[in-house]
Amino acid sequence: EAQVTQNPRYLITVTGKKLTVTCSQNMNHEYMSWYRQDPGLGLRQIYYSMNVEVTDKGDVPEGYKVSRKEKRNFPLILESPSPNQTSLYFCASSSELYNEQFFGPGTRLTVL
Amino acid sequence: GENVEQHPSTLSVQEGDSAVIKCTYSDSASNYFPWYKQELGKRPQLIIDIRSNVGEKKDQRIAVTLNKTAKHFSLHITETQPEDSAVYFCAASKRSGGYQKVTFGIGTKLQVIP
Repeated sequence: EAQVTQNPRYLITVTGKKLTVTCSQNMNHEYMSWYRQDPGLGLRQIYYSMNVEVTDKGDVPEGYKVSRKEKRNFPLILESPSPNQTSLYFCASSSELYNEQFFGPGTRLTVL
Repeated sequence: GENVEQHPSTLSVQEGDSAVIKCTYSDSASNYFPWYKQELGKRPQLIIDIRSNVGEKKDQRIAVTLNKTAKHFSLHITETQPEDSAVYFCAASKRSGGYQKVTFGIGTKLQVIP
C-alpha cells in the first residue's frame, strides 16, 4: 500500500530536550516536505527536499533541521524545542511529474 | 513570495444546498491549484485540482473554477451532504528553483447541517 508514515504520532516533551520525528514514504517520490498546522494559520511549510542530500528552507524554518540521506526518509529534528513549537506536524511527499501531495497521519507535539 | 487568501474561514450550509469557497493568489507564475479536504483528526487529502491552462474542472458534486486574470479560484460543492463537513484548504503552486513550491490558504471549516 502506497503511504507516508510518521512516528511518533503523539509526543509530549520538555523545553530543550532534543527530539526527532521520522517520516518515510514508499512511493519513490522525489519531493518531501514538512508542514506545521496551527489554528487560524493553515499549513505552513517548514523545510522541503527535492531529492537525496538536497534540502531547502520553507516559510517557517527557525528552530528546525532536516536531513535526506535516503530517498524514502525525511526526518524532522528539533535540537532545542520551545513551547512555541507546540503544533500538529505533517510530512508530505510528491513526485516530480505529478504535483499531488500525499500527507502522513500527523504528529501532535506538545512542548512544556 | 506567494500569498494565498481564502474565505470564508467558516461556512455553514443546510444539507442539499451548495457551498462555495474562494481563494485569491498573488504570484502570476503560479500554475497549479489543488484543493485538499481534511476531516477531523485526519490528514489532508487532495479532492480536486486545476492547472492554469484550464478554466474549469468538475468531478461529480465538486467543481473548481480558475480566473487567471483576476488571480482567483473557487471550489464549488453541490448537493452537500453531512460527510462533506471538514476543513478545506486551497493552495497555489509554482515552479521555483527546480521544485514545485506550494502555498496553502488558512482553510475553511465547512459544516453541513442535516
